[in-house]
Amino acid sequence: GQQLNQSPQSMFIQEGEDVSMNCTSSSIFNTWLWYKQEPGEGPVLLIALYKAGELTSNGRLTAQFGITRKDSFLNISASIPSDVGIYFCAGPTFSGGYNKLIFGAGTRLAVHP
Amino acid sequence: NAGVTQTPKFQVLKTGQSMTLQCAQDMNHNSMYWYRQDPGMGLRLIYYSASEGTTDKGEVPNGYNVSRLNKREFSLRLESAAPSQTSVYFCASSSIVRSSYNSPLHFGNGTRLTVT
Repeated sequence: GQQLNQSPQSMFIQEGEDVSMNCTSSSIFNTWLWYKQEPGEGPVLLIALYKAGELTSNGRLTAQFGITRKDSFLNISASIPSDVGIYFCAGPTFSGGYNKLIFGAGTRLAVHP
Repeated sequence: NAGVTQTPKFQVLKTGQSMTLQCAQDMNHNSMYWYRQDPGMGLRLIYYSASEGTTDKGEVPNGYNVSRLNKREFSLRLESAAPSQTSVYFCASSSIVRSSYNSPLHFGNGTRLTVT
């Protein structure tokens, strides 16, 4: 079945640094979603991308929908301690008449003050 | 506005015991989902319910059953728990499932289950 490969698996950075992470697939996706999960909570949607080439920002976060529709990137600028968490990419698969989301394994981000 | 509420938050079971994880949403969403989260594997779909009265298997349905009790509630049952079912379970809901995806999932805060 379809799979989403996220990299890196984890990152340890200093406060103020910029962060980049990406998600790739062997299949084409029509939508890319980025979620953040903080400790003890469920994932929360950060950014949704609906068109190839689309570049969307949400505060210090910027995400891009790759031109090939097989990848997406998430950048965080000037990281702060509250950016700590696990970042997941996700995309819909269509089977059995319905769309269902599949998720990458996540990128775990640690920010040192 | 509570969103998606899951109970219990924590549970410890012995192998072979049964239990039901409860989930309720107050956003009038049509679709509800159960995922499990394991280290290094992200979130994997167990079962989903596209609308009230329907349920379908996801990626990892073995060992689980679900009930869509009404539009608000979607429960997950483990009939005979196994150590491999130790995981964090998340319930989610969304308003649109068919055609192009344009409705994000809203997640609960999870149930942490340990099976010894």
